[in-house]
Amino acid sequence: KAGVTQTPRYLIKTRGQQVTLSCSPISGHRSVSWYQQTPGQGLQFLFEYFSETQRNKGNFPGRFSGRQFSNSRSEMNVSTLELGDSALYLCASRVSENTEAFFGQGTRLTVV
Amino acid sequence: GENVEQHPSTLSVQEGDSAVIKCTYSDSASNYFPWYKQELGKRPQLIIDIRSNVGEKKDQRIAVTLNKTAKHFSLHITETQPEDSAVYFCAAPGGSQGNLIFGKGTKLSVKP
Repeated sequence: KAGVTQTPRYLIKTRGQQVTLSCSPISGHRSVSWYQQTPGQGLQFLFEYFSETQRNKGNFPGRFSGRQFSNSRSEMNVSTLELGDSALYLCASRVSENTEAFFGQGTRLTVV
Repeated sequence: GENVEQHPSTLSVQEGDSAVIKCTYSDSASNYFPWYKQELGKRPQLIIDIRSNVGEKKDQRIAVTLNKTAKHFSLHITETQPEDSAVYFCAAPGGSQGNLIFGKGTKLSVKP
């Protein structure tokens, strides 16, 4: 079956702009989590969605938001971009808690 | 909330030696502990996981041990090979529905 798909793969944005990233989970997976990966900081948890509801949220400012659609596809939005938002954004889907999380290939965001 | 500490941040071994990576967690209710491997430029992938009802699990050259009393778990790789070179992440459930919280990663280098 198809894996987790993230689009776009690469983005270059200017400070102050906003950006929307997309994640299509594995068919049948209702949980989608988002992570920010930067060198030295590992995988920092942003939020998790399950059946269109945000279940958990990490310690990120309100500029970071997300949503999940009825087909489990998820989007993440970052408004008023800052240079420090440059990172690899990964999403992961899983069937339920305490099961394997499958990662997408990520979206590399560069803010200039 | 859950806090996961991972050590060491870098580890260099000779081919054929063993490698050990250790993680501690804070939430005593956590009951699922996966390990992910991320090769350069690729997405993280699950290599092994353990649940709280067992103390050790092996899969060929890889093993994970869990000490619930001390709240720590470790990854053991025996007979290391150059293709084991990657960044390894441990994780534990955080939040009310168990979203995964990751350690900051260990960069393992296996020298031929």
